[in-house]
Amino acid sequence: DSGVTQTPKHLITATGQRVTLRCSPRSGDLSVYWYQQSLDQGLQFLIHYYNGEERAKGNILERFSAQQFPDLHSELNLSSLELGDSALYFCASSVAPKGTAGYTFGSGTRLTVV
Amino acid sequence: GENVEQHPSTLSVQEGDSAVIKCTYSDSASNYFPWYKQELGKGPQLIIDIRSNVGEKKDQRIAVTLNKTAKHFSLHITETQPEDSAVYFCAASRTNAGKSTFGDGTTLTVKP
Repeated sequence: DSGVTQTPKHLITATGQRVTLRCSPRSGDLSVYWYQQSLDQGLQFLIHYYNGEERAKGNILERFSAQQFPDLHSELNLSSLELGDSALYFCASSVAPKGTAGYTFGSGTRLTVV
Repeated sequence: GENVEQHPSTLSVQEGDSAVIKCTYSDSASNYFPWYKQELGKGPQLIIDIRSNVGEKKDQRIAVTLNKTAKHFSLHITETQPEDSAVYFCAASRTNAGKSTFGDGTTLTVKP
C-alpha cells in the first residue's frame, strides 16, 4: 500500500457519459498530480494541484476537469466520454509544491468506455 | 516544453546479467531525475532519483548516472533477478515546474 488511495479501481461506462475519479493523497503530501496512461503509451501529465490551487496543466482536454478539496483529496471529472478516453488514470502525490521530489503513485483507475 | 526520450523500449537479459536503460532530456534547466518501476497491475514506484549537482548515485544493485553536458542519464541494474522484470520509466523535472515529464518506458524481462 503506497498510501495514495484511488477509487474506483475499475470503471466501465458508455460513450457520452460522465465519470468522477477520486484520489486521496499520502498523509502529509500537499501536491496531487493526475496522469493518463494509455495502451502502449507512457504517462501523460494532465493536471497538478498544490494545497487546493491549480499549479499546472498538461494536455488536458476541455471535457476533463479536476479539483482539490480542503481535505486535500482530489477528483478528476471526465465528461462526454469517447472510446479514446479508455485508459489507466493515475493519481500521484508529493510533499513538494514543485517538481523537486519524487511521486507516490496510487494503483490507478482503469476506465473502459464502450 | 521538456521532452524525455528513453531507450530501449524493450530489454531482455539473463538472470545475473546487468541491464542499462538510457534517457535523454531536452530542457537544460531540468535538475531532478527520478526513476520509477511499474509492475503489472500496479502504479509506478519510485526506485531511485538523482539531482543535477550529483553525477552518480547507488542503492544496492541499482545506480543512476547523470551527464548534464550531454543531457542524458542512465539506470544501471546489476545482478538482475526475475523480480526485476517490470516497466521502468525515467522522468525529468525542474525546480520551477510543477510536474515531471516521463519517458515512454522500458519493458525489462529477466529470464531465469
